Order: sequence, then C-alpha cells, then structure tokens
Amino acid sequence: EPEVTQTPSHQVTQMGQEVILRCVPISNHLYFYWYRQILGQKVEFLVSFYNNEISEKSEIFDDQFSVERPDGSNFTLKIRSTKLEDSAMYFCASRSGWNQPQHFGDGTRLSIL
Amino acid sequence: AQSVTQLDSHVSVSEGTPVLLRCNYSSSYSPSLFWYVQHPNKGLQLLLKYTSAATLVKGINGFEAEFKKSETSFHLTKPSAHMSDAAEYFCVVGRGPGGGNKLTFGTGTQLKVEL
Repeated sequence: EPEVTQTPSHQVTQMGQEVILRCVPISNHLYFYWYRQILGQKVEFLVSFYNNEISEKSEIFDDQFSVERPDGSNFTLKIRSTKLEDSAMYFCASRSGWNQPQHFGDGTRLSIL
Repeated sequence: AQSVTQLDSHVSVSEGTPVLLRCNYSSSYSPSLFWYVQHPNKGLQLLLKYTSAATLVKGINGFEAEFKKSETSFHLTKPSAHMSDAAEYFCVVGRGPGGGNKLTFGTGTQLKVEL
C-alpha cells in the first residue's frame, strides 16, 4: 500500500538554526499538510498546500515557517530560526481529492537544543 | 468552529473482551469524523471515517463506530480486543466529505490490552 514517507525520523538542531523537514507524499495525491504534536499535547494543524500555494494555515504557522514543493515528489517544511518550543513531532499528510481522507507519515521528531 | 473531546485518556481491557473508546464532538457544520490509530514509533493510520453516509461505520481490524447526531458522539468499538490493538487512538473532526483542510484532533486515548 502506498505510504507517506518522512525523513529524517529524528532531527536534532541547535536553537536559532534553520531546519528542513522532508516528506514524500503518496504519488497521485494533490493536497498536502503539516501537523505537529508537542509532547503531551494534541496533534495540531499547521498548514495545507494545494496547487502550489498555501490554502490554509493556523496561527502557529508564522513567518518563521515556510513550505515548498520543490519538485513533483517532495514537500518540505522549513523553520527559519528554531526555538526551543519548536521541539515536537511533525507529521506530513496528503490526500488524493477533496472527498478523500488524509493519510499520514510516521513523523519527524524535532529536538531543539 | 470544531472540537473533539475524548472522554478517557487511558482504557485497559483484557484480551478477548469488548473495547469502547468514547468521543464527543462539537461542530458548527455537518462534520466528517475519523478515528486514527498510532502504534508506538509509527505514524497515524486511518481506522475508519464517517462522511454523512451510513451512521454505523466499519473500519479495519474489526473496529466500528456509530455516529449519533443527537448525542454528538462517535464512539469506537470492537467486540473482542487483541494484544495488537494496544496503541493510542485519536478521534478527529473535519469539515466536508474528506474532512477538509484542517483536521482537529482529540487528546487521544491510550488503549492497553492485558492477557
């Protein structure tokens, strides 16, 4: 069964550094998402992306965050200058159509030191 | 606006006994509802979805859920628990037939299955 693939599984970064989290959505999917889960808290929506632009974003997704689909297969989340509170599990998701559910990857655990 | 309340943070059952994980939702429009499961060190796997068709929804691994609009509930059940069911379960609400862009998650229920 096709899967959403996320790399790396664990990323450790110094505070203030830039980090890029990578995702390969399922190949025929058109809608792409990032969520995060801070330890002990709920999974929270960050951003949705369709037709090469952001379609919706949460208040968490401020100017420090950006997303990109640099080619036909990858979908990335960049955090420009990381803070301690960015430490979380980041999940990528994708879906094939508006009436289809989102499928999630295994997540990237981001640890900011 | 939409929200989800999972009424139990932890549920413990014996293998072979029924499972009930409770979820109540709030939504200002007709919701789509989902249950996702997360096994240790794995991602979120879709168990089942309700998108305004049949109110009793069957999912993978013998799980099912019933949408009750009058009670704003979407409880997850399974007749007989297996050890492999031990995981964290998330009730999720969204807007539109596929849930829309923004899914709203509950806090999760950790299911423990004992011999």
